Amino acid sequence: EVQLVESGGGLVQPGGSLRLSCPASGFTFSSYAMSWVRQAPGRGLEWVSTISSSGVGTYYADSVKGRFTISRDNSKNTLYLQMNSLRAEDTAVYYCGIYIQTGSNEDYWGQGTLVTVSS
Amino acid sequence: EIVLTQSPATLSLSPGERATLSCRASQSVRSYLAWYQQKPGQAPRLLIYDASSRATGIPARFSGSGSGTDFTLTISSLEPEDFAVYYCQQRYDWPLSFGGGTNVEIK
Repeated sequence: EVQLVESGGGLVQPGGSLRLSCPASGFTFSSYAMSWVRQAPGRGLEWVSTISSSGVGTYYADSVKGRFTISRDNSKNTLYLQMNSLRAEDTAVYYCGIYIQTGSNEDYWGQGTLVTVSS
Repeated sequence: EIVLTQSPATLSLSPGERATLSCRASQSVRSYLAWYQQKPGQAPRLLIYDASSRATGIPARFSGSGSGTDFTLTISSLEPEDFAVYYCQQRYDWPLSFGGGTNVEIK
């Protein structure tokens, strides 16, 4: 059974930092690019970042570039998102999931972790 | 940056009716377009990938069409479990992007 379980969310003050983790099981983690997608309360989905299967390639939304860092540890089957200089507008549920550009119907997502940025 | 515009924002229909959802891209994304369904409190679920291919386990009443800049998701006959929010996503170029969503609600 495929499992992705996000953790690390919580309440943080503006300007603070958080590190999200997403351990994976049930599939060959090191073979897949991985993404973070977020959803602010009552809003739509927003793509945040993607990392290639090897970790060499990383991509970011303009809204988080320079503040967030995506990384992975294929030996631990875990995806990370380091979030610095957090702002109120970063408040959202953060989902991790696999990313495949084309040619596949595979679709794995975690249940999400809530990040609240507030004083 | 590729902007995806979904219409309508809300679609009010009855069970058994046909739903037609539109997604328009600000520039060509070829066929690198996916459709997701999301229900409250749940992660998104992939329905359609590569514009017209149904994902595993997705009923045949869901179909996708289009290429380039104009895409359509059609639900041929709405079932009670189909009332949800639907998003399109382009996978053609970085940064990836989602449309704003269409809420299919019970009339």
